[in-house]
Amino acid sequence: GNSVTQMEGPVTLSEEAFLTINCTYTATGYPSLFWYVQYPGEGLQLLLKATKADDKGSNKGFEATYRKETTSFHLEKGSVQVSDSAVYFCALSLPREGAQKLVFGQGTRLTINP
Amino acid sequence: DAGITQSPRYKITETGRQVTLMCHQTWSHSYMFWYRQDLGHGLRLIYYSAAADITDKGEVPDGYVVSRSKTENFPLTLESATRSQTSVYFCASSDWAGSNTGELFFGEGSRLTVL
Repeated sequence: GNSVTQMEGPVTLSEEAFLTINCTYTATGYPSLFWYVQYPGEGLQLLLKATKADDKGSNKGFEATYRKETTSFHLEKGSVQVSDSAVYFCALSLPREGAQKLVFGQGTRLTINP
Repeated sequence: DAGITQSPRYKITETGRQVTLMCHQTWSHSYMFWYRQDLGHGLRLIYYSAAADITDKGEVPDGYVVSRSKTENFPLTLESATRSQTSVYFCASSDWAGSNTGELFFGEGSRLTVL
């Protein structure tokens, strides 16, 4: 079946550190890939996406590249801020299966210390 | 305000009681979803709806009932709450395009505790 595996958290970094959150997937076919972010006390919101191999999604200084050869979609940011503290979810969906088949990873809690 | 709102945000109930969580969206999105979020499980889909009067089961539908008489509302009912239903529940919506790409808009969540 389709699945998403994220690095386990929690992850704690100092401000201005480099961030990587690993995400790998298993899917039949060619999925679209997403990173959602959940700030404290809020619902999830889409952070970035990529719909085909080698696409790079980017937003708010975060980037992730769709790597078909390694079935990965790692999230990176060059210099994190305290305001980036949140839970990050990697997710995939397959064409024609729609959001009702959206598969989420377990989430990675990120804490940034000043 | 436009968006997707859930109520109540927090609810404590007892085993065996009926509980309804409300979800309202103002975008006229055709698709709506209910997820539960549990430590170690991430988000799991309970039910979804593609349009008014059309609902379908997700991954974990047992113990839940939904209805969608109006496009903007998608209530989730626990007919006889159990402790295993203690969770944070998220409602989400998407338009037709989002339903095919996986782009969802989430509410702020409803934290339910069943004693």
